[in-house]
Amino acid sequence: DAKTTQPNSMESNEEEPVHLPCNHSTISGTDYIHWYRQLPSQGPEYVIHGLTSNVNNRMASLAIAEDRKSSTLILHRATLRDAAVYYCILRAGNYGGSQGNLIFGKGTKLSVKP
Amino acid sequence: ETGVTQTPRHLVMGMTNKKSLKCEQHLGHNAMYWYKQSAKKPLELMFVYSLEERVENNSVPSRFSPECPNSSHLFLHLHTLQPEDSALYLCASSQTDRGLANEKLFFGSGTQLSVL
Repeated sequence: DAKTTQPNSMESNEEEPVHLPCNHSTISGTDYIHWYRQLPSQGPEYVIHGLTSNVNNRMASLAIAEDRKSSTLILHRATLRDAAVYYCILRAGNYGGSQGNLIFGKGTKLSVKP
Repeated sequence: ETGVTQTPRHLVMGMTNKKSLKCEQHLGHNAMYWYKQSAKKPLELMFVYSLEERVENNSVPSRFSPECPNSSHLFLHLHTLQPEDSALYLCASSQTDRGLANEKLFFGSGTQLSVL
């Protein structure tokens, strides 16, 4: 399975932008890049996903490098509620069954200071 | 509220007890999942059900027994557990089990299990 590498932890100040990096140098051409986050005492929640082009939604933006070997999740204005563990996950495209299962790594623990 | 409800939120049990975890989804999804999250370890996929049939079992010990009576409900029956089974057990659902790259998983808040 293609793997991802993320920093163990990051800190941010409230109301400032946050850039969470993810390296995935062995990504295949059909792998989608998914981001989930897990707030304390909660299950993971979907944040955003993309294939090649940058993506925006109400929660965040996803910037994907041209060679697709890395990506960055951007939170435009961090709030205290954004303190969570953020997971970058590659999800196989064009496959069914177990190859497409969501496999979590250790993620990046984001702390937000007031 | 994600549309996936797990009960109980907390459970303490002895090694000789039998208990069950319950998960219910109100999203009309066809696939449901059990994940285990131990302290300081990544989430581990345990079981996958699609249209009430088990499609994956990731080498989980037989002391964990899943049941999916219909596409909205999923149970995890527990018996003769060990202290190392203490963990957060998470249920999730998705539209299908086909692992389509665009699919999102919706998770419940989990059951925090302590085995004494």
